[in-house]
Amino acid sequence: KQEVTQIPAALSVPEGENLVLNCSFTDSAIYNLQWFRQDPGKGLTSLLLIQSSQREQTSGRLNASLDKSSGRSTLYIAASQPGDSATYLCAVAAQGGSEKLVFGKGMKLTVNP
Amino acid sequence: NAGVTQTPKFRVLKTGQSMTLLCAQDMNHEYMYWYRQDPGMGLRLIHYSVGEGTTAKGEVPDGYNVSRLKKQNFLLGLESAAPSQTSVYFCASSLRSGGGADTQYFGPGTRLTVL
Repeated sequence: KQEVTQIPAALSVPEGENLVLNCSFTDSAIYNLQWFRQDPGKGLTSLLLIQSSQREQTSGRLNASLDKSSGRSTLYIAASQPGDSATYLCAVAAQGGSEKLVFGKGMKLTVNP
Repeated sequence: NAGVTQTPKFRVLKTGQSMTLLCAQDMNHEYMYWYRQDPGMGLRLIHYSVGEGTTAKGEVPDGYNVSRLKKQNFLLGLESAAPSQTSVYFCASSLRSGGGADTQYFGPGTRLTVL
């Protein structure tokens, strides 16, 4: 059974720092991996999606990498801002289709001004 | 585009009562999903649909039923609510499976309390 882990569960940093958020998964046979952001009391917003054949994806200050063989993904946030404060979730889809996402429990990020 | 909307936003039920949560999307997406989010458990897939008239079980389907009579709507039903179903329920949709079309778009959630 696929398990997705995000450590640490929470992180507090001063504004301007470059951040690396980690995600690990137990079964390397994945279809894709997605990073989401969730603000308090809100739904999830997709940040980046990496197909199993890709190594990384970039969007603005965000860069996500994927290493299937080691079962790891990282989300890099450059020059963090207070507006980046949110919970970040990693989710993987098993081979065969993206219908069944398995989520990590998320990492709560606080960026202090 | 409104995206994905959910009705209602909040609901309190007594044990044994029934209710239906409505999810609607205006993006012409083929795939729709229902998740529940619980503290310490993360998000878990309840049921999903890969097209109008189809439904399939996810990770935690017991106690729930779903219907997808129209492409834009996905209903989640609780026939006899239990306190263990207290949770925040999220609906999501995606265009289809494959390539960037896998991206899931989420609704704002329904907070359900069962007393």
